[in-house]
Amino acid sequence: QSVLTQPPSVSAAPGQKVTISCSGASSNIGNNDVSWYQHLPGTAPKLLVYENNKRPSGIPDRFSGSKSGTSATLGITGLQTGDEAEYYCAAWDSSLTGYVFGSGTEVTVL
Amino acid sequence: EVQLLESGGGLVPPGGSLRLSCVASEFTFSSYAMSWVRQAPGKGLEWVSVISSSGGSPYYADSVKGRFTISRDNSKNTLYLQMNSLRAEDTAVYYCAKGSDIFDHWGQGTLVTVSS
Repeated sequence: QSVLTQPPSVSAAPGQKVTISCSGASSNIGNNDVSWYQHLPGTAPKLLVYENNKRPSGIPDRFSGSKSGTSATLGITGLQTGDEAEYYCAAWDSSLTGYVFGSGTEVTVL
Repeated sequence: EVQLLESGGGLVPPGGSLRLSCVASEFTFSSYAMSWVRQAPGKGLEWVSVISSSGGSPYYADSVKGRFTISRDNSKNTLYLQMNSLRAEDTAVYYCAKGSDIFDHWGQGTLVTVSS
């Protein structure tokens, strides 16, 4: 069972917006930065957001991150078929002295 | 372009050992912490271990503590994961990743299957 809780799946039509929540605790999200990763089966995961709301170069501004208290959110606007993937939040956990990933959310474009 | 190439995966019986390697290129390997992350079949990503740029301060997930050892050879731009006392639940694709808490580059992964 993951320390960070995400909804198993979200879906929307092309061009629409989805948001993915990530719920944690003071030992992880509450006091450490959150990253978000996109993972397609058989490929290397890709960093989408780091330090809660920053995007690496090459990541379109359709992807956005935010954090409040012990929760974080990833937003994807202008949904495209190429966005179908598994999305994970992640953060360092000071109590576990280790990095923790969320349970993962499958995004489906209807 | 940063490249991370894992190797060393394969089929191993329960209780066996395996050493994974990850060769890095196109960045100053010795300046960055490095990590291992795995994904078991049908499961999500699971962080395994991290090592500092100098090779000190390793941390491990509770699930592998005492059985796995992370190390690196900065002269060879290579990260290692020594896996001992392997269990069926260690079956997974193992990825090496650049960084300690922001994984900005990942390898393609190497499959480890623990089965008799």
